Amino acid sequence: AQSVSQHNHHVILSEAASLELGCNYSYGGTVNLFWYVQYPGQHLQLLLKYFSGDPLVKGIKGFEAEFIKSKFSFNLRKPSVQWSDTAEYFCAVNQGAAGNKLTFGGGTRVLVKP
Amino acid sequence: ETGVTQTPRHLVMGMTNKKSLKCEQHLGHNAMYWYKQSAKKPLELMFVYNFKEQTENNSVPSRFSPECPNSSHLFLHLHTLQPEDSALYLCASSQAADSTGELFFGEGSRLTVL
Repeated sequence: AQSVSQHNHHVILSEAASLELGCNYSYGGTVNLFWYVQYPGQHLQLLLKYFSGDPLVKGIKGFEAEFIKSKFSFNLRKPSVQWSDTAEYFCAVNQGAAGNKLTFGGGTRVLVKP
Repeated sequence: ETGVTQTPRHLVMGMTNKKSLKCEQHLGHNAMYWYKQSAKKPLELMFVYNFKEQTENNSVPSRFSPECPNSSHLFLHLHTLQPEDSALYLCASSQAADSTGELFFGEGSRLTVL
């Protein structure tokens, strides 16, 4: 069974700092990759997704992620965070033929100090 | 506003109670999902319904019984639960379960089993 690992459980940083969250998955075949975000008191929502093509994917709110197939990774980045980026971030993967049966990582709580 | 509404938002029940969680989506989607989010564990897919038919049961104990009367409504019937079943139960919907599109999540029902 595939698994998804997020390396950091908690990240604390100051506004304007750069953010990078790691995500690695175990499945070796075709995958679709996602990052979801959950702001405090809100529902999970899609930040960005990768299906094929350019491995550098741009999402909402200035986030981007890079798919590196050789490393089984899909790390999330933002050059300069804001206080409003405080949230929990989840990496998710599904196998290409498995439709929307996503396997989620354990999440990373990000706290941005003003 | 997420388009996916879950009720109740909070539920406390004893181990001998019977209760139900309800999910309704207003997005015209054909697939609906139940996920379980426990403390310090990744989101776990429980059930998938595609066009009202159950297409996935991820080895969920029979004390959880899903029901999908139509593509807009999904229920999770709870009976003789255990304290370890305490968690946040998330409902999601998508265009179809065999697509690779986005999942839209509700805000969750937080269940506490005493």
